[in-house]
Amino acid sequence: NAGVTQTPKFRILKIGQSMTLQCTQDMNHNYMYWYRQDPGMGLKLIYYSVGAGITDKGEVPNGYNVSRSTTEDFPLRLELAAPSQTSVYFCASLQDRTFTEAFFGQGTRLTVV
Amino acid sequence: GENVEQHPSTLSVQEGDSAVIKCTYSDSASNYFPWYKQELGKRPQLIIDIRSNVGEKKDQRIAVTLNKTAKHFSLHITETQPEDSAVYFCAARTMSQGNLIFGKGTKLSVKP
Repeated sequence: NAGVTQTPKFRILKIGQSMTLQCTQDMNHNYMYWYRQDPGMGLKLIYYSVGAGITDKGEVPNGYNVSRSTTEDFPLRLELAAPSQTSVYFCASLQDRTFTEAFFGQGTRLTVV
Repeated sequence: GENVEQHPSTLSVQEGDSAVIKCTYSDSASNYFPWYKQELGKRPQLIIDIRSNVGEKKDQRIAVTLNKTAKHFSLHITETQPEDSAVYFCAARTMSQGNLIFGKGTKLSVKP
């Protein structure tokens, strides 16, 4: 059981480039989340999804887009990368919105230069 | 929306001492409060959680207390060990959205 898998682990982007961060989970969880973690800071919610075909904005959605075509996958798209998007990105999932543990992927460290 | 404040931002203790980290939340509808430990370069890992209908929960050297009236909850680590050194995050979740909102973290250093 792989849990939550993120790819890539590391990436360097040039300003203005685009990329997609991949996240997949094999636990049949309905709820999935994207967080960013800046150095020395907590995790801020970018986007979330409560099921296939349903997504919504979190605290810091600007500059990002998501889609949820299947239960397993929740990719995060960065368009026109900016230095302010340099961060570590974590994907997480949980079974339902009650008292269940959120499982995190191993993170993607993104640097925009 | 929910806002979670966490204090202190850094905490240094001697091995064997106790450590306490405190969090406050703003949304009275929040009903689930997990604590995560994040070691350098790793993903956050759940260490303990508490539901809003419980005042205290303990797991070996770790305990969490919740005061719903004051909207604050705390993590207590007793008999600290060097391997407890990490960043600890508190979080709150509301039933309405199910989103986890995190505090900014506390960097705990346990000196041998």
